[in-house]
Amino acid sequence: NAGVTQTPKFRVLKTGQSMTLLCAQDMNHEYMYWYRQDPGMGLRLIHYSVGEGTTAKGEVPDGYNVSRLKKQNFLLGLESAAPSQTSVYFCASSYPLGADTQYFGPGTRLTVL
Amino acid sequence: AQSVTQLGSHVSVSEGALVLLRCNYSSSVPPYLFWYVQYPNQGLQLLLKYTSAATLVKGINGFEAEFKKSETSFHLTKPSAHMSDAAEYFCAVSDRGTSYGKLTFGQGTILTVHP
Repeated sequence: NAGVTQTPKFRVLKTGQSMTLLCAQDMNHEYMYWYRQDPGMGLRLIHYSVGEGTTAKGEVPDGYNVSRLKKQNFLLGLESAAPSQTSVYFCASSYPLGADTQYFGPGTRLTVL
Repeated sequence: AQSVTQLGSHVSVSEGALVLLRCNYSSSVPPYLFWYVQYPNQGLQLLLKYTSAATLVKGINGFEAEFKKSETSFHLTKPSAHMSDAAEYFCAVSDRGTSYGKLTFGQGTILTVHP
């Protein structure tokens, strides 16, 4: 049982390049989330999904797209990376109740030059 | 909109001393409340959560937190700090009326433990 895994762990991009971050969970969770973590700002929700084939915008969605083609996977895409997207990205998953624990992946550290 | 305030971005204690990390929330209805811990270069791990049972919640690693509705607070405590407690701690809230369990995080408190 690996829990929530994220690939890659580190990535350096040049401005304007694109990339996709992959999140996978093996807990059969319905809900999945993408957050970004910036110093002094806690974690902010980018996009989330309440089930296979569904996605929705969170607090800071601009510049990102997501897809949930399979229940266990949630992809985060950057079409044209900007330096402001330099951050640590975390994926999480949970069962569909507000009180349920969200389980986090180890994070992806992205630098955009 | 919900908000969470963690008082003090850095807290420093000596090993064996009391740990107190403060969290206040703003919400018209008491939300679900969480404390997460993040060790260096790792993801977040749940320490404890309040979901409207007992107001004093016990978590892992000897931590506990008390929900005080009158003060809109959910402070995290540990009687005796250990070197291994050094980490960043996040308070988070989830609206009871939210259908997807959206978490709103505080800005985090870095705990340093001195020998």
